[in-house]
Parts: sequence; structure tokens; C-alpha cells
Amino acid sequence: SQQGEEDPQALSIQEGENATMNCSYKTSINNLQWYRQNSGRGLVHLILIRSNEREKHSGRLRVTLDTSKKSSSLLITASRAADTASYFCATDRGNAGNMLTFGGGTRLMVKP
Amino acid sequence: ETGVTQTPRHLVMGMTNKKSLKCEQHLGHNAMYWYKQSAKKPLELMFVYNFKEQTENNSVPSRFSPECPNSSHLFLHLHTLQPEDSALYLCASSPLLSGGGETQYFGPGTRLLVL
Repeated sequence: SQQGEEDPQALSIQEGENATMNCSYKTSINNLQWYRQNSGRGLVHLILIRSNEREKHSGRLRVTLDTSKKSSSLLITASRAADTASYFCATDRGNAGNMLTFGGGTRLMVKP
Repeated sequence: ETGVTQTPRHLVMGMTNKKSLKCEQHLGHNAMYWYKQSAKKPLELMFVYNFKEQTENNSVPSRFSPECPNSSHLFLHLHTLQPEDSALYLCASSPLLSGGGETQYFGPGTRLLVL
């Protein structure tokens, strides 16, 4: 079964607005990671948050993790047209090596 | 550039052909992965290699055959594929298969079309 599920599946905003994407998962995790994918390209790691962390920042990115609700959110502030991409959460259960389970992704479009 | 390269970038093959996908990482990593990304489906893990040893085969059909001759190179040999195997095949690497917390570095992928 799918471990991570992103919500919404698609999001369209204007440049300068904030974008929030959510991820829910089913089992306990060691950490949760967010990746970005430009159309038809490979994934690029954005940020990792461990199960004992609640919030993490990296530049314009802010990630939160609520292990009691088994959910995470990715906030991109002051979005730019270049942020247009698909964003995926991936969970690492930590019990079988470094194997990540990816969600279906959120397609973000930032209009100039 | 993530330090992971994949060739070819695009491949069209018939169902009776045999082809191979190649992945090379220049990061000194010890774990390598093959993923399949189909339209409208989550990224699926296919195979995992750690120090050249296969540690995971995620119920992948035998028409996909991986090979890892060393920690820097990973191949995916393809034969008698089906049209539903058309997808983007992504290779990734990470420093060590250590039990969690490792970022994976992805190649650009090979877009495969099976006719």
C-alpha cells in the first residue's frame, strides 16, 4: 500500500504567494524527506526531517512533522515561477535500510 | 547535476528486443537503486544494491534483470518487455544503506517506450 499520500494532487498559485503541500503516511517512520522533480527529470532532495523533530527550515522551505497525526507539510514561501515542479514526500521506516516509500506527488504551478 | 548519470536518456524498443540501461555515480556512494515512475502512479522501488550485493527485489518481473559490477555502476537489462513497462526509469545512489536518514541522489532518468 502507498505509504505517503500528498494533498493536493495539483496546486496553481501566483508568483509571490505561499504554497503548502501536505503528506500523510500510515506506519511509523524514522524520517520523512521531501523531493522535487522537474518535468521528466530526476528527483532532487530538498529537506529531511527526523521523527523526533517537529519543524525544519531551509531557505524558503519550511517542513513540519506531526507523528501523532502521521502527517507532514511543506511550505514554500514567496514562490517563484522556477518553483514549478512536482513535489514528493518519501518516508523511511528505518527498519530495512535506506528504502524510501514515495507518495504520488503534488504538481505545483507558479504563474508569473 | 547530482553526480548520477544515466544512459540512454530516451529509448524506444520493441517487445522482442534486448536492451540495457546504464547508471553511473561519481559520488563515492555504496548503495544504488532502480525506480520505475509510471504516469499516475507513485515512484516504485525496483531493486536495491548495497556494496554490490542485491538487498532488495521488490517483486519485479524477471524480464528486468539488474547488474551491479561495482559500487559506481548499475545496469538494468531489459528483455521481452510489455507496453505497460513504458515509464521513466530512475537510478539513485546514497552513501550507505545504514538504516535510515540517508539522502538519495537521483539521475535524470531514462524515458522508455515499449512498442
